[in-house]
Amino acid sequence: KAGVTQTPRYLIKTRGQQVTLSCSPISGHRSVSWYQQTPGQGLQFLFEYFSETQRNKGNFPGRFSGRQFSNSRSEMNVSTLELGDSALYLCASSLEDTATEAFFGQGTRLTVV
Amino acid sequence: AQTVTQSQPEMSVQEAETVTLSCTYDTSESNYYLFWYKQPPSRQMILVIRQEAYKQQNATENRFSVNFQKAAKSFSLKISDSQLGDTAMYFCAFMPSLNTDKLIFGTGTRLQVFP
Repeated sequence: KAGVTQTPRYLIKTRGQQVTLSCSPISGHRSVSWYQQTPGQGLQFLFEYFSETQRNKGNFPGRFSGRQFSNSRSEMNVSTLELGDSALYLCASSLEDTATEAFFGQGTRLTVV
Repeated sequence: AQTVTQSQPEMSVQEAETVTLSCTYDTSESNYYLFWYKQPPSRQMILVIRQEAYKQQNATENRFSVNFQKAAKSFSLKISDSQLGDTAMYFCAFMPSLNTDKLIFGTGTRLQVFP
């Protein structure tokens, strides 16, 4: 069974640009969450989707957005990139919406220059 | 605010020895879940162990066990017979309700296992 797949693995963008990151959950998983990991702030929750609906959102500016498709795949978008957006972005998927184990992808390393 | 605190930024242990990583959390909820995740240099987050707050019995997974003290809001991880492959960042995480998969993470403990 394939794990959580995040694409691309590495990305370099220029300040002011926008970026879209993709996450394909494990087959059958309907819940997808996104996290930002930085050395300074650690792991911070971005948002959570279940059955195409955003269920929770973290404390991030509106430049960060996401969506989930009917096949449970999810994308997150960051507009008007800032240097501080450089981070490892992790996606996690879960089988149900009842606090089951979250399986993480290997992340997308975004560098903003 | 719901928070998770890991007070040990770094720990080291010799191979085959036992080490305990500390975690405390703050919540007013009565039903929640607690997790320990491991992040090796590959950056892949891997679930080590999980504990449901309504269960009094401490969870165990092979060499890994927890000491869950609900009243004290403490959730420590004990690694027995440490192995070189246990070298990683360990994150304590808290799931604040049963209606979400949102995780609140601590700042992590870097564990180094020496031969």
